[in-house]
Amino acid sequence: QTVVTQEASLSVSPGGTVTLTCGLSSGSVSTSYYPSWYQQTPGQPPRTLIYNTNTHSSGVSDRFSGSILGNKAALTITGAQAQDESDYHCVLYMGSGIWVFGGGTKLTVL
Amino acid sequence: QVQLVQSGDEVKKPGASVKVSCKASGYTFSSYRITWVRQTPGQGLEWMGWISPYYGNINYAQKFQGRVTMTTDTSTSTAYMDLRSLRSDDAAVYYCAREGRYCNVTACFPFYYMDVWGKGTTVTVSS
Repeated sequence: QTVVTQEASLSVSPGGTVTLTCGLSSGSVSTSYYPSWYQQTPGQPPRTLIYNTNTHSSGVSDRFSGSILGNKAALTITGAQAQDESDYHCVLYMGSGIWVFGGGTKLTVL
Repeated sequence: QVQLVQSGDEVKKPGASVKVSCKASGYTFSSYRITWVRQTPGQGLEWMGWISPYYGNINYAQKFQGRVTMTTDTSTSTAYMDLRSLRSDDAAVYYCAREGRYCNVTACFPFYYMDVWGKGTTVTVSS
């Protein structure tokens, strides 16, 4: 069974840049997996940030950007702010109507 | 505005069933698939499956096959997720979400992401 991997936790300084990744336990992530990214704060539902690898959801700051870096999908946050401290989830489309989420990354801004 | 309003929190005993509803408003319900996702305490998100209100086709995650049933009622723009034989590890927040679409000049297609989320329904499983 394919596992989608994410860093368990990352930290970034205010104003800094951080890249979160979304990989596969076996194989490489490409645009064909339609990676999407979601931000979630405690007690709240996820908020859609990026879909189709690098398309911004409506109203999302351009400080967030999506890409493919090497063999993984990536979410880069530039000019990190305290409000960016959240959990970030990626999901990949595996084909045949099946999606798999990664385990999520807890981002700390400090 | 586009909204998905979920039913209230539930407390169930092991072995029971729970049915969570998700009422859509602000858009044409039948035009978008509805996906169900759950989040166990302190854990990540888990995709459970999706249903197309228009076509009626469904896809369940293998983990839930045989225990979950997803349905829709287009007359009330409501989606339902029924999970049976509850266990303690089914205790989670259950979310419904609308799957986004891509449209070209001739048609629209599901586009493999969730663009609108419900606020979640907490299901507690306890004897």
